[in-house]
Amino acid sequence: DTEVTQTPKHLVMGMTNKKSLKCEQHMGHRAMYWYKQKAKKPPELMFVYSYEKLSINESVPSRFSPECPNSSLLNLHLHALQPEDSALYLCASAHLGGSAGETQYFGPGTRLLVL
Amino acid sequence: GQQVMQIPQYQHVQEGEDFTTYCNSSTTLSNIQWYKQRPGGHPVFLIQLVKSGEVKKQKRLTFQFGEAKKNSSLHITATQTTDVGTYFCAGRRLYTNAGKSTFGDGTTLTVKP
Repeated sequence: DTEVTQTPKHLVMGMTNKKSLKCEQHMGHRAMYWYKQKAKKPPELMFVYSYEKLSINESVPSRFSPECPNSSLLNLHLHALQPEDSALYLCASAHLGGSAGETQYFGPGTRLLVL
Repeated sequence: GQQVMQIPQYQHVQEGEDFTTYCNSSTTLSNIQWYKQRPGGHPVFLIQLVKSGEVKKQKRLTFQFGEAKKNSSLHITATQTTDVGTYFCAGRRLYTNAGKSTFGDGTTLTVKP
């Protein structure tokens, strides 16, 4: 199973709402990532969890709050977002170390629209 | 910081023509990955290159990693309409944290049948 699942597929929220994005993988990967992707741009790294601990935070605003409840799950909690936060949010996972290096498996993403 | 430049930004080809995209890093890379993203889709892993001068082939796709591990290329022979999409390279700078790969801006390929 090389699948990374994400829910919801689409999300529309107001600037005062609180919502969460969810990601799940069952490949035994110990690294999980959140990316933000705007149209016609590359994925932009937000957070990396290694062995369920936050290892990289790319200076992301605090209105985005990641959580890794266990090795298979990754959440992104959203609060008081701005319209410019509208984007495709991608989750990815990777097997750390060994010959696999940083080969990342991406989920289908959540298309977020902030009104 | 590390920069990964990718050229060209766009490439339009006639079906059957060849296609090449180039990725150049300002610093030596530990490894490099290539991904393909179809319109409306998500990035899908194609290949990883680790060794200096490495060449790998997948059917019509040929991937190269430069001797200095600062550049890479993806070449597609005899493009087909199924090759349409954006091709991204992603590399991690030597001696940086695992997981911190930088993506190039991508090359968007369109194929005219």
